[in-house]
Amino acid sequence: GDSVTQMEGPVTLSEEAFLTINCTYTATGYPSLFWYVQYPGEGLQLLLKATKADDKGSNKGFEATYRKETTSFHLEKGSVQVSDSAVYFCALIGNNQGGKLIFGQGTELSVKP
Amino acid sequence: DGGITQSPKYLFRKEGQNVTLSCEQNLNHDAMYWYRQDPGQGLRLIYYSQIVNDFQKGDIAEGYSVSREKKESFPLTVTSAQKNPTAFYLCASSISGGYTDTQYFGPGTRLTVL
Repeated sequence: GDSVTQMEGPVTLSEEAFLTINCTYTATGYPSLFWYVQYPGEGLQLLLKATKADDKGSNKGFEATYRKETTSFHLEKGSVQVSDSAVYFCALIGNNQGGKLIFGQGTELSVKP
Repeated sequence: DGGITQSPKYLFRKEGQNVTLSCEQNLNHDAMYWYRQDPGQGLRLIYYSQIVNDFQKGDIAEGYSVSREKKESFPLTVTSAQKNPTAFYLCASSISGGYTDTQYFGPGTRLTVL
């Protein structure tokens, strides 16, 4: 079945460092890809998404490009802030799956001043 | 403001009790979802509904039940048959349940079995 694999955390960075969180997927057809962020004790918020190959999603300085040839959707940010500390989830929705989101296990990011 | 509300925020259950978690949305979305989150893990789908009076099992439906009598509401009942119900429960909705639709999440309910 469809699945998502993300790099394990926790990831600890200094403020203004470059961030990459790797995400790869397995799916039949052409899924849509998502990055969600979760702050402690809260629900998930959509960070960005891409619905077809070579699309780039971007929001709040975060970017990710849908790479079908490598089945990847890596999250990047050029300069992280302390307020970016959270858990990041990569997810996909496959074709004809009733809109079911399939999540990776999440990557905890901690940014130190 | 449009959004998804879940109540209660915290819920405590004794062994053998059924409890119902509320989920309401005013986004006029057709599709609604229930996910379960365990510590250090991603979310797993319990049930989903793409239209009123219809719903489907997700990956971990055993021990749970739902209803969808109104478009705005999708309550989840955790029954005594659920062996390990302590978890964080998240409700979500999307416009139609299509694979390109964004799912919007509520703030969650944390259930603890005493």
